[in-house]
This record gives sequence, structure tokens and C-alpha cells, in this order.
Amino acid sequence: GEDVEQSLFLSVREGDSSVINCTYTDSSSTYLYWYKQEPGAGLQLLTYIFSNMDMKQDQRLTVLLNKKDKHLSLRIADTQTGDSAIYFCAETRSYKYIFGTGTRLKVLA
Amino acid sequence: SAVISQKPSRDICQRGTSLTIQCQVDSQVTMMFWYRQQPGQSLTLIATANQGSEATYESGFVIDKFPISRPNLTFSTLTVSNMSPEDSSIYLCSVEGQGTSYEQYFGPGTRLTVT
Repeated sequence: GEDVEQSLFLSVREGDSSVINCTYTDSSSTYLYWYKQEPGAGLQLLTYIFSNMDMKQDQRLTVLLNKKDKHLSLRIADTQTGDSAIYFCAETRSYKYIFGTGTRLKVLA
Repeated sequence: SAVISQKPSRDICQRGTSLTIQCQVDSQVTMMFWYRQQPGQSLTLIATANQGSEATYESGFVIDKFPISRPNLTFSTLTVSNMSPEDSSIYLCSVEGQGTSYEQYFGPGTRLTVT
């Protein structure tokens, strides 16, 4: 299909790891992104991965890319209550960003 | 990264009226983008605005409904015309990072409610 798909909700306990999954559509996407949106705020760029990479680690964030399956994941280690937000993956088609449906992460204290 | 501000941050408008949203960036950028985020939904690109040329609209969006101005390299406006309740959304502008066209940065958004 044409949509970039994500599961709608994820709930984890504080201190656990969170894994947010994304299935994208365009195998020619050069970069794939993860954004965070807190309530009432715009989107914050968290990290991105170049399409020739399988993994990228940035402090508590680990991005895994499976190009064969067009699957992208974001792992957040030691999840904190401040990580509660909506997380969007995005792929690029030409110069345009196509955003996923968003995953609402709830962190339980 | 770029620092982006939007005005107003939120507004409640009556149907049939128009609202102009302003987007200001702290550095010169070539491309600016306008997105709509309907309640509980993802972001949809409305148009791309380059300075000195007409905006390029995505399928489903037209200039008469969403006129855009781009008078210089740090500023753009989006007007939502003849509003209806279906236009109630968050409107966000974004820009590409300086020297890194693969990063896109977003403003805080304008939350519009049409009654």
C-alpha cells in the first residue's frame, strides 16, 4: 500500500526498553527518520538513518533498518516518563517526507 | 538546526472566515513546507514554498483554498480561506536544515478550531 504504517499504541514501564515499529513503502528512500511529538508541540527530529546502514545508535536511541522487509524500528533504552509522546517515522519520496500514522507511547511510572 | 516560530499558536474561527498563519525562521532557507495534521492523524503535506516562485501544491490542496506567500528566505504565510469545521487541524511549517537537506525541522504548529 501507499501508507507508512505504525502500530497505534505502546505502553511500557519506566526503566524498560521501548520498541516502536514502522513499515515503509518506498525502497528508494535515501533517509528514514524518527520524530517525536509531545502534547501541544511541533515535531522534534530525534534521529535518522541512511538507507545503506543497518543500525544507528545515538545515546538511548537505536534505529534498526531492514531494507528487504522495508521495516524500521526505534528502540528507546531505559524509557522515562518524559519519553511519553507520539512517535512518527518518515520516509522520503523525492524531496517530500511521508509520515507514518504515529505511535502513542505511554510510559507507566 | 533551525529555530522556527509560528503565529498564532492557536485560534478559534467562525466558518466562512479566513486565517493567515505566519512562519518565521531564524536563518535563510530555500524550501519551506506547510503541513496539516488533523485530529489524531499523521501529517499531510499541503504545499512546498520556494522564495520567488509559486508554491507547489499536493494532490487535494488548491491555491484558492490555501494561498501561500513566500516574500523572502526567512518567512512564509499560509492562509486557510473560507473555513469550515473540516479545516480544524494543526498547521505546521517546516524547513530543511542548512547544508543538510536530509533533515527537516518543524515549527510548534498553529492549532485551528473552526466553529
